[in-house]
Amino acid sequence: AQKITQTQPGMFVQEKEAVTLDCTYDTSDQSYGLFWYKQPSSGEMIFLIYQGSYDEQNATEGRYSLNFQKARKSANLVISASQLGDSAMYFCAMRENTGGFKTIFGAGTRLFVKA
Amino acid sequence: NAGVMQNPRHLVRRRGQEARLRCSPMKGHSHVYWYRQLPEEGLKFMVYLQKENIIDESGMPKERFSAEFPKEGPSILRIQQVVRGDSAAYFCASSGGLAGYNEQFFGPGTRLTVL
Repeated sequence: AQKITQTQPGMFVQEKEAVTLDCTYDTSDQSYGLFWYKQPSSGEMIFLIYQGSYDEQNATEGRYSLNFQKARKSANLVISASQLGDSAMYFCAMRENTGGFKTIFGAGTRLFVKA
Repeated sequence: NAGVMQNPRHLVRRRGQEARLRCSPMKGHSHVYWYRQLPEEGLKFMVYLQKENIIDESGMPKERFSAEFPKEGPSILRIQQVVRGDSAAYFCASSGGLAGYNEQFFGPGTRLTVL
């Protein structure tokens, strides 16, 4: 069965430093997609980055990069040069590409960026 | 270029009443997903629909909940005889069109409060 695990309920980072948010997943499918979303206090869900299971290179989007280690089934999000506006909840998610487009989410990590 | 629209943004119902949540996908998107987020938790998949078809409803409670995505008009998530445990944020997402199906674009959510 699909499962997403985010083991860090809360994280603190100093402004301008980099931070890594952990995510591990479990699936028996060979084809799947991994996502990270940001949810600020206003409540909306903001898509950050996507990694396909067959992508050989780690995905990057501006200050966000996804450290994809397929053998370890991990998909950690790295935020470089943290900004105060990065303070939010971050959710890791996975979608298996066979059998539909159901996406499951982890429990989230709350990131606090300190000035 | 409107994004995913949900209304109402906030909905208050008394126990036993019906709640209707509406979702208009992004223009050109033919896939709609509904998720529920309980306080301090991640999003839980409920149902995935295409126009006039329910593709995957494995996350929907068996009773009181139903969803539709008619040929014309928005997708509707209907909760009959609401109970306090239904209080949550309900998010709709859509995918498809030129952006493909990897990214789900989320609406702002409807926050349901059951008194």
